[in-house]
Amino acid sequence: EPEVTQTPSHQVTQMGQEVILRCVPISNHLYFYWYRQILGQKVEFLVSFYNNEISEKSEIFDDQFSVERPDGSNFTLKIRSTKLEDSAMYFCASSETRDQPQHFGDGTRLSIL
Amino acid sequence: AQSVTQPDIHITVSEGASLELRCNYSYGATPYLFWYVQSPGQGLQLLLKYFSGDTLVQGIKGFEAEFKRSQSSFNLRKPSVHWSDAAEYFCAVGPHGKLTFGTGTRLTIIP
Repeated sequence: EPEVTQTPSHQVTQMGQEVILRCVPISNHLYFYWYRQILGQKVEFLVSFYNNEISEKSEIFDDQFSVERPDGSNFTLKIRSTKLEDSAMYFCASSETRDQPQHFGDGTRLSIL
Repeated sequence: AQSVTQPDIHITVSEGASLELRCNYSYGATPYLFWYVQSPGQGLQLLLKYFSGDTLVQGIKGFEAEFKRSQSSFNLRKPSVHWSDAAEYFCAVGPHGKLTFGTGTRLTIIP
């Protein structure tokens, strides 16, 4: 069964540095998403992306964050000038249409030191 | 605004016993409802979904859920749990691509 893949599985970064989290969505999917889960808390929506632009974003997704689909397969989340509170598990997801179920990757655990 | 409540933080069930995990949602229109399962160190796997139609939906791994509009609920059930069902279970509501998750219920299975 096709999967969403995320790299790296664990990223450790110094506070203030930039980090890029990478995702390869399922190949025939057109909608892409990022979520995050701070340890012990619920999974939170960050952003959705379709047709090379952001469809919707949450209050969490401020100017520190950006997303990009640099080629036909990758979908990235960039966090500029990371803060301690950015430490979380970041999940990428994709779906065929906006209303079809989202398929999630295994996540990237981001640790900010 | 849409929201999901999972009132049980942690449930312990004996292997072979039945299971029901509760989920209540708040949404202004007909909701799209999902149950996901997360095993330690892994991503979220879709168990089942409700969009419309039959209010009792079947999912993978022997799970089912029933949508009750009058109670704003979408409880997950399984008649007989297996040790491999131990995991965190998340209910989510979300038409139009933006999923809102509950806080999750951690399921422990005892022999």
